[in-house]
Amino acid sequence: GENVEQHPSTLSVQEGDSAVIKCTYSDSASNYFPWYKQELGKRPQLIIDIRSNVGEKKDQRIAVTLNKTAKHFSLHITETQPEDSAVYFCAAPSRTGRRALTFGSGTRLQVQP
Amino acid sequence: EAGVTQFPSHSVIEKGQTVTLRCDPISGHDNLYWYRRVMGKEIKFLLHFVKESKQDESGMPNNRFLAERTGGTYSTLKVQPAELEDSGVYFCASSQVAGSGYTFGSGTRLTVV
Repeated sequence: GENVEQHPSTLSVQEGDSAVIKCTYSDSASNYFPWYKQELGKRPQLIIDIRSNVGEKKDQRIAVTLNKTAKHFSLHITETQPEDSAVYFCAAPSRTGRRALTFGSGTRLQVQP
Repeated sequence: EAGVTQFPSHSVIEKGQTVTLRCDPISGHDNLYWYRRVMGKEIKFLLHFVKESKQDESGMPNNRFLAERTGGTYSTLKVQPAELEDSGVYFCASSQVAGSGYTFGSGTRLTVV
C-alpha cells in the first residue's frame, strides 16, 4: 500500500511571503497527487492536483511540483494572504491493493498579517 | 450538482451507546469512502465502497464498526458500542473514479463521553 509523509506539521509565515509544504510517497506506481485545504470547521476541499505525466502545475498563486524519481511532491503558495491560513493535506492513491487516497498528516499554515 | 451530505453534523453520546452516521454521496458516484480525523491528526482511511460492495475495509479499527451501503446509494457507519477513543470527525467522500476526484462531505463530529 501507499505511505505518505508530510512536512512540516506547522508553518507560520508573514503575509506576502511564500509557503512550501512537502510530501513523500512510497508506491512508485502512484500517478495522481492531490492537495486539500481544510479551513477550521469545514470540509477538506481540493485546491490543486497533479498527474505523474507532468512535473509542475500552476493555478494563480498555487503550484505543485512532482519529482517521480525521488518520490516527492510539494505545494507552493506565493504571496500568502491571511485567508490561506488552514490545514493542508497531501494525498496519493496506490495503484495496487487499496485504491483509495492515503493522506499525509497535515500542515497547519498560519499567515500572520 | 448536490454535494456529499452527511448526517448528523454533531453527535454526543455516552460510552457504550450506539451511533449511526449517514452519508449521501453525489449521484452517480460509484466510489464512496469513509475517513476519520482524530484530535487534529491525519485523515485516516476507514473503508471504500464500490457501489454496494466493500472494496477495501482494511482501515476499520475493530468489529465495533459496521458500514453498509444499501443498493449502492447512501451509506451508514454504525459504531456499537462506542468507546471514548472513537471520538473524532468522520468524513465521507465520493468520486466517479477510484482514488481521484474526491468530494468530501462536511463531516460528523462524534464525541463519546
